[in-house]
Amino acid sequence: RKEVEQDPGPFNVPEGATVAFNCTYSNSASQSFFWYRQDCRKEPKLLMSVYSSGNEDGRFTAQLNRASQYISLLIRDSKLSDSATYLCVVIVSGGYNKLIFGAGTRLAVHP
Amino acid sequence: DAMVIQNPRYQVTQFGKPVTLSCSQTLNHNVMYWYQQKSSQAPKLLFHYYDKDFNNEADTPDNFQSRRPNTSFCFLDIRSPGLGDAAMYLCATRQELSSQPQHFGDGTRLSIL
Repeated sequence: RKEVEQDPGPFNVPEGATVAFNCTYSNSASQSFFWYRQDCRKEPKLLMSVYSSGNEDGRFTAQLNRASQYISLLIRDSKLSDSATYLCVVIVSGGYNKLIFGAGTRLAVHP
Repeated sequence: DAMVIQNPRYQVTQFGKPVTLSCSQTLNHNVMYWYQQKSSQAPKLLFHYYDKDFNNEADTPDNFQSRRPNTSFCFLDIRSPGLGDAAMYLCATRQELSSQPQHFGDGTRLSIL
């Protein structure tokens, strides 16, 4: 089983739609959580951190459920420019904190 | 202003010809990482430096080496590139002992002829 699992998609949605991605992690020592966005042939860029109480940044809402070990990202009012791959990233505490990437969920927003 | 800078953006080399990719940072972060990313896959960690301490992932091929001469610079050396090494190579930095995320460079796309 992969340490961080995501539905690869693609999610094909019309502009204006609401879309949600889930990510599950297996290591209970996971301590910090992030969503990154990666455009085709570009580097990953931090979209938002995920806090225990849930957090919102404009149209984006991130939630963390430690008991069930999953993280979610909700995008409201999708824009064409939201089309990208969304990577779930988990920091696992240990001798050196280790960052584990999910394989990403691809989103395609169409007119 | 770019804080993690990778050079070159695109690198073409011949099968078996050694190649070096470079990464520099202005963030003064104590940890630097090298990842390999192939199409539609997650970035795969090759190794990382915590200050001068080198940490190799168990499945990183011997063909890949790294050097970190100072805090700001880190190099990835591929001694004998094979066709399977064609990929995007990403450098990232992070301040360990914090909950902060990584900062990535733009990546170097390596092609093998």
